[in-house]
Amino acid sequence: EVQLVQSGAEVKKPGESLKISCKGSGYSFTSYWIGWVRQMPGKGLEWMGIIYPGDSDTRYSPSFQGQVTISADKSISTAYLQWSSLKASDTAMYYCARHRTTGKYYFDYWGQGTLVTVSS
Amino acid sequence: SSELTQDPAVSVALGQTVRITCQGDSLRSYYASWYQQKPGQAPVLVIYGKNNRPSGIPDRFSGSSSGNTASLTITGAQAEDEADYYCNSRDSSGNLLFGTGTKVTVL
Repeated sequence: EVQLVQSGAEVKKPGESLKISCKGSGYSFTSYWIGWVRQMPGKGLEWMGIIYPGDSDTRYSPSFQGQVTISADKSISTAYLQWSSLKASDTAMYYCARHRTTGKYYFDYWGQGTLVTVSS
Repeated sequence: SSELTQDPAVSVALGQTVRITCQGDSLRSYYASWYQQKPGQAPVLVIYGKNNRPSGIPDRFSGSSSGNTASLTITGAQAEDEADYYCNSRDSSGNLLFGTGTKVTVL
């Protein structure tokens, strides 16, 4: 069974750093792209970026380039999303999802989400 | 432009048919995928490609596309179909896009 399990909720102060994780299981982690999606409170889904754990090829949405860093450790089947200096506007639910690219483009499996709250 | 536009909200009577649309230039070149999101839950894939349903998705969900518009149709809507629905595709630069989302209310 394919599963993506994300790390737990975080409460941080502005200016702090943070790294959240997404652990894949039940499939070959290095053979599929993993994307990150933001959902701000009461708002829609926003694509942030995507990584291919096999070779760490990473692409960012222009809206998030330079704002976050996406990485992966294929030895432990885990992808990461990190911030060096959080802002209150980073408060949101963050989802990881497996991305398929076999002629069609879609996210077939999603993590449960990680709620990040940034408040002084 | 690299945007996917959806109607903010639609309503449908129980057992009737509702069509949700997604408009964007990228849809002339790439199929849309569709996701259902219920309150407090992660999105769930319901349609991908030309008109493919993942295992476990009821056959009352179907997809279609014409020109710059992709559509998700729910034929015989059920109470449990009340949710937010998002389309998703990519643009020619490889950026992925989500639609603005449609809230479906089942009356």
